[in-house]
Amino acid sequence: QITLKESGPTLVKPTQTLTLTCTFSGFSLSTSGVGVGWIRQPPGKALEWLALIYWDDDKRYSPSLKSRLTITKDTSKNQVVLTMTNMDPVDTATYYCAHRRGAGFGELDYWGQGTLVTVSS
Amino acid sequence: DIQMTQSPSSLSASVGDRVTITCRASQSISSYLNWYQQKPGKAPKLLIYAASSLQSGVPSRFSGSGSGTDFTLTISSLQPEDFATYYCQQSYSTPPSFGPGTKVDIK
Repeated sequence: QITLKESGPTLVKPTQTLTLTCTFSGFSLSTSGVGVGWIRQPPGKALEWLALIYWDDDKRYSPSLKSRLTITKDTSKNQVVLTMTNMDPVDTATYYCAHRRGAGFGELDYWGQGTLVTVSS
Repeated sequence: DIQMTQSPSSLSASVGDRVTITCRASQSISSYLNWYQQKPGKAPKLLIYAASSLQSGVPSRFSGSGSGTDFTLTISSLQPEDFATYYCQQSYSTPPSFGPGTKVDIK
């Protein structure tokens, strides 16, 4: 059974760096084609894709946020970490991590419960 | 970036109604189109992938169709648990963008 869970601070100040950890089980990030992605959702708004890391350490970022994002993985710990620099109140959102199926069409078939991050001084 | 649009943005329907939601991509995405359902306070749930493949465990009243730029999600007979917001997502190219969502509520 695949599960993912996000962890990190619930409150960050403007200009600070946000670090979120996705801890997963039920799959290996060493399996060909598999990936873990990050998606966020501001309150009352739509989903926004942020970044994804593949089993082979290939990394993809949202072009609009690329300069602020870094995604890394620790396969031995079953964790994926997302850092976002220079946080702003508009970055207030629920942040989700999700499993990208290896042999598929890029669908995200399992999601974490999400973690709400508020950016405020 | 590929832009995704959805119509309508919201709709009101009754239990038992047939509901159709449309998603359009700004360029051809072949069949790289996924549909998600999201209920308030919950994470999105994958319903349909590759435009028309039903995710395991999803009721057969949900179906998807389309290819290229135009896609539809159909709920054949709306059930009380189907009242939610539905998002399409293209996975053809990075960033794999989401549509703005369609909220389905009770008439």
